[in-house]
Amino acid sequence: GENVEQHPSTLSVQEGDSAVIKCTYSDSASNYFPWYKQELGKGPQLIIDIRSNVGEKKDQRIAVTLNKTAKHFSLHITETQPEDSAVYFCAGGSNYQLIWGAGTKLIIKP
Amino acid sequence: EAGVTQFPSHSVIEKGQTVTLRCDPISGHDNLYWYRRVMGKEIKFLLHFVKESKQDESGMPNNRFLAERTGGTYSTLKVQPAELEDSGVYFCASSQVVAGATGAYNEQFFGPGTRLTVL
Repeated sequence: GENVEQHPSTLSVQEGDSAVIKCTYSDSASNYFPWYKQELGKGPQLIIDIRSNVGEKKDQRIAVTLNKTAKHFSLHITETQPEDSAVYFCAGGSNYQLIWGAGTKLIIKP
Repeated sequence: EAGVTQFPSHSVIEKGQTVTLRCDPISGHDNLYWYRRVMGKEIKFLLHFVKESKQDESGMPNNRFLAERTGGTYSTLKVQPAELEDSGVYFCASSQVVAGATGAYNEQFFGPGTRLTVL
């Protein structure tokens, strides 16, 4: 079946450094790629998304890039802060059905 | 505005018992989704309601799982009888499609999840 692979499963970075999380997808019909952040005790929350007609999108310290040919997309967080510590999920699909990655636990070291 | 709420937050039951999870979506959201995450793995889609109708239930694991959304408001997910492999966190999400400059937009808002442990 269709799947989304996410790497790494755990990422530890020094506060102030950048973090990059990568995902690949198998369904070439996918046209919508959201990223969700899950903090402890809460449900996932949308932080940024990108559609297949765009190669890059940025919102302050976070950015997402999409390579449709290679079927991969990445989340970039710059100048990481302690509050960025969380589990991040990528997903790919359409507006109504998403296939999710396994999540990346991001740890920001002081 | 209240977000998506789920009840209970935790449930510990024995194999063979029945458990019913409840989700209250954001008021006015027609779309309601159920997902499950087993420890350390991906979030897996279970099913999707549009109002009271099941739009897609392709992710439901087997007939021990029954989801309802009577009246198109809150939804319940019943597991009967529960098995060990049903353990995990069950998330509910709701959304309302809105027209945007680049097409329809369907942000899903998640509840905090119900952690189900089957012993």
